[in-house]
Amino acid sequence: GDSVTQMEGPVTLSEEAFLTINCTYTATGYPSLFWYVQYPGEGLQLLLKATKADDKGSNKGFEATYRKETTSFHLEKGSVQVSDSAVYFCALEGGGATNKLIFGTGTLLAVQP
Amino acid sequence: GAVVSQHPSRVICKSGTSVKIECRSLDFQATTMFWYRQFPKQSLMLMATSNEGSKATYEQGVEKDKFLINHASLTLSTLTVTSAHPEDSSFYICSALDAKRGEAFFGQGTRLTVV
Repeated sequence: GDSVTQMEGPVTLSEEAFLTINCTYTATGYPSLFWYVQYPGEGLQLLLKATKADDKGSNKGFEATYRKETTSFHLEKGSVQVSDSAVYFCALEGGGATNKLIFGTGTLLAVQP
Repeated sequence: GAVVSQHPSRVICKSGTSVKIECRSLDFQATTMFWYRQFPKQSLMLMATSNEGSKATYEQGVEKDKFLINHASLTLSTLTVTSAHPEDSSFYICSALDAKRGEAFFGQGTRLTVV
């Protein structure tokens, strides 16, 4: 079945460092891909998404490109801030009209001043 | 963004009792809501898809008689954990699909502890 694999955390970075969180997927068909963020004490929020191959999703300085050839959707940010500290989830939307989201395990990012 | 309210945020109950968790979409109508369970250091596991006015669709391995889902209105879905046991202790999260925006919005989650 469909699945998402993302790098384990925690990832600890200093402010202004470059961030990469790896995400790969297994799916039949052509799923939509998402990154969600969960700040402490809050619900999951959609960070960015891409719906087809070579699409780049971007928001708040974060980017991810839908790579069909490598079945990847890695999250990147050029310069992280303390306020980016959160748990990041990679997800795919399964095929068909179900709108079901399949999540990775989440990666905790801790940014230190 | 849209707001989904999940209540309660934390609940502790005794073994054998039942617990109801509510999920409300506050500013949009949601014909479809989803219930997830999250174990420590594990991904969110989809438990069931809740459809307004019809029976929920449960994922393989999820006991429908234990996890009762009711979606009686376009803004409310409830998950009832019946005859709870310590192994049911977990973090439960709901999401509501805003079909107009094509996006699912998540509640803050409910931490259930069964003692």
